[in-house]
Amino acid sequence: NAGVTQTPKFQVLKTGQSMTLQCAQDMNHNSMYWYRQDPGMGLRLIYYSASEGTTDKGEVPNGYNVSRLNKREFSLRLESAAPSQTSVYFCASSPTYNEQFFGPGTRLTVL
Amino acid sequence: AQSVTQLDSQVPVFEEAPVELRCNYSSSVSVYLFWYVQYPNQGLQLLLKYLSGSTLVKSINGFEAEFNKSQTSFHLRKPSVHISDTAEYFCAVKGNTGKLIFGQGTTLQVKP
Repeated sequence: NAGVTQTPKFQVLKTGQSMTLQCAQDMNHNSMYWYRQDPGMGLRLIYYSASEGTTDKGEVPNGYNVSRLNKREFSLRLESAAPSQTSVYFCASSPTYNEQFFGPGTRLTVL
Repeated sequence: AQSVTQLDSQVPVFEEAPVELRCNYSSSVSVYLFWYVQYPNQGLQLLLKYLSGSTLVKSINGFEAEFNKSQTSFHLRKPSVHISDTAEYFCAVKGNTGKLIFGQGTTLQVKP
């Protein structure tokens, strides 16, 4: 039981490049989430998926897209990376109305 | 809108001293409350949670938090900290939207 896994762990991009962050969970949870963590700002929700087949915007969705590929997988795409997207990205999953379980994070730097 | 305020960004404390990390929230509806801990270069781990019932909740490593509805607070306490407690701590609230709202985080620095 691996919990929530994320790939890659680290990534450096140039401004304008695109990339997809991958997330998978093996706990059969319905809901999945993408957050970004910046110093002094806590975690801010980018997008979430309450169940397979649905996605919704969170607090800071601009510049990102998501895909809930199936119940296990929820990917985050940056179409044209900007330096303001330099951050640590966390994926999480939860059964409905319970605590969230977090992955180890992806540290992204955009030059 | 719901919000969470952690009143201290950094809390330095000596080993074996007591500590309190403060958390206040704003919400007009029933909430679930959580404390998460983040060790350096790791993801967040659930420390403890309040869903209902007893207002005092405890973790397995000696932390406790008390839900105070009248003061809209959920402060985290430990009577005697260890070096290994050095980490960042996040308070979070989950209301009727189903989404977690996090505070800004408090860095606990335990000194020998």
